[in-house]
Amino acid sequence: EIVLTQSPATLSLSPGERATLSCRASQSVGSSIAWYQQKPGQAPRLLIYGASNRATGIPARFSGSGSGTDFTLTISSLEPADFALYYCQLSANWPTFGPGTTVDIK
Amino acid sequence: EVQLVESGGALAQPGGSLRLSCAASGFTFNKYAMSWVRQAPGKGLEWVSAISNSGGFTYYADSVKGRFSISRDNSKNTVSLQMDSLRAEDTAVYFCAKDSYGGISYYFDSWGQGTLVAVSS
Repeated sequence: EIVLTQSPATLSLSPGERATLSCRASQSVGSSIAWYQQKPGQAPRLLIYGASNRATGIPARFSGSGSGTDFTLTISSLEPADFALYYCQLSANWPTFGPGTTVDIK
Repeated sequence: EVQLVESGGALAQPGGSLRLSCAASGFTFNKYAMSWVRQAPGKGLEWVSAISNSGGFTYYADSVKGRFSISRDNSKNTVSLQMDSLRAEDTAVYFCAKDSYGGISYYFDSWGQGTLVAVSS
């Protein structure tokens, strides 16, 4: 079973700052990683699929990178709407989600 | 606009059964695989089950295998989750999610608002 870990658990930043979120897989998963954003009381929203492809309608300030075991979601300049919980997800075989990173306002 | 509307969540007793439904609109339903994903209160996301676009292939997480059954009706644009032998640990918000591709990619590009299942005596 492939396990995803995310770091940090919480990221405290100010609007306009750059956010770098990490997701690590316990074994190589190629590029089979997606990133989701979830706000309280809402369903998750797909941001990135295939490690680096932005989903439809996702602003260019969101970018994904990585392959193998190490993946990164970068938000280039935080907007107020970006403060939320972020999950990475393995799409290969049985889908697995990481525990999440909360981006909150410093 | 893609819309997924779940229903059927309720309070159930341990060992009981519930049937969740998801009504889909705004896309060609029979071209996409569908999944159910759940989220226990205050916890993370857990994929539960998937069904291919034709309904011919179904997949389950180990935690629900043998107890839950997914199905779809392409004539009615609905996907359902039959939940039997419910346990306290099945308590969660259940989301219906649309796959991004015709095959099963497990990239979920649209989600419903969720329906709450609570299992308690």
